[in-house]
Amino acid sequence: NAGVTQTPKFQVLKTGQSMTLQCAQDMNHNSMYWYRQDPGMGLRLIYYSASEGTTDKGEVPNGYNVSRLNKREFSLRLESAAPSQTSVYFCASSAGGNPYEQYFGPGTRLTVT
Amino acid sequence: GNSVTQMEGPVTLSEEAFLTINCTYTATGYPSLFWYVQYPGEGLQLLLKATKADDKGSNKGFEATYRKETTSFHLEKGSVQVSDSAVYFCALKRGGSGNTGKLIFGQGTTLQVKP
Repeated sequence: NAGVTQTPKFQVLKTGQSMTLQCAQDMNHNSMYWYRQDPGMGLRLIYYSASEGTTDKGEVPNGYNVSRLNKREFSLRLESAAPSQTSVYFCASSAGGNPYEQYFGPGTRLTVT
Repeated sequence: GNSVTQMEGPVTLSEEAFLTINCTYTATGYPSLFWYVQYPGEGLQLLLKATKADDKGSNKGFEATYRKETTSFHLEKGSVQVSDSAVYFCALKRGGSGNTGKLIFGQGTTLQVKP
């Protein structure tokens, strides 16, 4: 039981490049989330998926797209990376019965130069 | 709007000292409140929670009481250990149905405990 896994752990991009961050959970959770963590700002929600087949914008969605590929997987795509997207990205999931108990992955540290 | 404010860190304590990390919130309705902890190099883990006024959440020696009159949820521990060194996040979830579990986080407080 791996919980929430994220790949890659680290990534360096040049401005304008694209990439997809992968997230998978093996807890049969309905809801999944993408956050970014920046110094002094806590975690901010980028997108979330309340259930398979649905996605919604969070607090800071600009510059990102998501795909809920199936119940297990929720990917985050940067189409044209910008230095402002340098951050640590966390994926999380929660079961339908306990939406507040979110389980987090280990994070992806992304640097855009 | 809804927001969470935490005391700025880092907080540096000696082992066995008493810990308080302040957290205040602004929210409409009756939110649920949480403390998450992030150990170095890891994701966040739920530490404790309280879902209504006057509830006390507790776990691993940490406690926090949901104070509606002061809109606060301060984290306390009577005797910290080096292994408690981490970043602590206060968070809230808006009350009401259909919320989908979205959390609003404070900025985090770094705790360093020295032997």
